[in-house]
Amino acid sequence: AQKVTQAQTEISVVEKEDVTLDCVYETRDTTYYLFWYKQPPSGELVFLIRRNSFDEQNEISGRYSWNFQKSTSSFNFTITASQVVDSAVYFCALSVTPPQGGSEKLVFGKGTKLTVNP
Amino acid sequence: NAGVTQTPKFQVLKTGQSMTLQCAQDMNHNSMYWYRQDPGMGLRLIYYSASEGTTDKGEVPNGYNVSRLNKREFSLRLESAAPSQTSVYFCASREGALSSPLHFGNGTRLTVT
Repeated sequence: AQKVTQAQTEISVVEKEDVTLDCVYETRDTTYYLFWYKQPPSGELVFLIRRNSFDEQNEISGRYSWNFQKSTSSFNFTITASQVVDSAVYFCALSVTPPQGGSEKLVFGKGTKLTVNP
Repeated sequence: NAGVTQTPKFQVLKTGQSMTLQCAQDMNHNSMYWYRQDPGMGLRLIYYSASEGTTDKGEVPNGYNVSRLNKREFSLRLESAAPSQTSVYFCASREGALSSPLHFGNGTRLTVT
């Protein structure tokens, strides 16, 4: 079965600190995709990044970076020099095809609530 | 660019009442989804539709029905609302490929008293 675990329920940091959000996934598929979404206090869900199972290169986008390690089934998200606007709930998700075929779908972790204090 | 549009944004129902949540996307996406979000539970899939004319159950389908009216529209119906269905409901769509990210609507906050 496919599963995504975000063990950190809530994290609180002070502005300018670095923070890493953990994501561990489970799947037997060899082809899959991982995603991160952000849900700010306003409630909408915003797509941040996608990574496929064959590409283990880390990615950096401004203050955001992602570390994908197949050996540990992890896809961690680091925010460098955090800002108050980074306060949100962050979701990690896994996209797979069910074993009996059918339609692919996304499985979400339970989310990590990040609070960045001034 | 409207993206994914959900209506209504807020709704209060009494136990036993019925209602339909509407969702429409203008991105020509094949797949559409209904999720519910509850505190501490993350996003749980209720139903999804891989293409026009098909629907499948997700993780928590009990108490809900769906209709994929056409490629654009995917509605969620509560036939007899229960307090356990108090939640925030999100509709989403994507092209259908494994690699495609979901595009979400802004959500419907439903309270059942």
